[in-house]
Amino acid sequence: DTGVSQDPRHKITKRGQNVTFRCDPISEHNRLYWYRQTLGQGPEFLTYFQNEAQLEKSRLLSDRFSAERPKGSFSTLEIQRTEQGDSAMYLCASSPGGHLGTEAFFGQGTRLTVV
Amino acid sequence: GENVEQHPSTLSVQEGDSAVIKCTYSDSASNYFPWYKQELGKRPQLIIDIRSNVGEKKDQRIAVTLNKTAKHFSLHITETQPEDSAVYFCAPPPPNTGGFKTIFGAGTRLFVKA
Repeated sequence: DTGVSQDPRHKITKRGQNVTFRCDPISEHNRLYWYRQTLGQGPEFLTYFQNEAQLEKSRLLSDRFSAERPKGSFSTLEIQRTEQGDSAMYLCASSPGGHLGTEAFFGQGTRLTVV
Repeated sequence: GENVEQHPSTLSVQEGDSAVIKCTYSDSASNYFPWYKQELGKRPQLIIDIRSNVGEKKDQRIAVTLNKTAKHFSLHITETQPEDSAVYFCAPPPPNTGGFKTIFGAGTRLFVKA
């Protein structure tokens, strides 16, 4: 499969625990995005990377959230001290670099449930 | 999304009718105008996009028209079918991001009644 892959697909965790999600983008894509989506809402932007550089982080994102893309390939999103309000689908997407405005290719998402 | 308005928020049509969804943006420098479709329980996927050097693009039953002067672009679906039922998002790059950032509108939920 040469598309965007995310792991795990589902995660159930207790409130207060830390969780980490992984995203493997399409190999030649420079840009990588993280979104959060709750039922009935559109994907909410969290952060994005150009290669290994994190260019922007949503001001809506608390300090409990951190993302990395250490070698400009895969990325991880960590949520510390999870809260019930963190329950959502976390989507990763990637797109080619070098041109203004291109299609974003999405992974299947990681569904997080905080109990 | 930032400075993006999508109308209507919900649209219900009879199978075979046409559907039109409008997206209004704020950045006159935007040059890329995509539409994504998200079926229930699935990931968003691009269905059509247009760049600012053209006014209309068509792909079978779907088309996108762009009005740069008025800063809006619209998705047109003709001969709608039940499988067109989904949520549709526009995602023009927001202002001052160099076109790199992909932000989604609030979405339009389309119901096609058989």
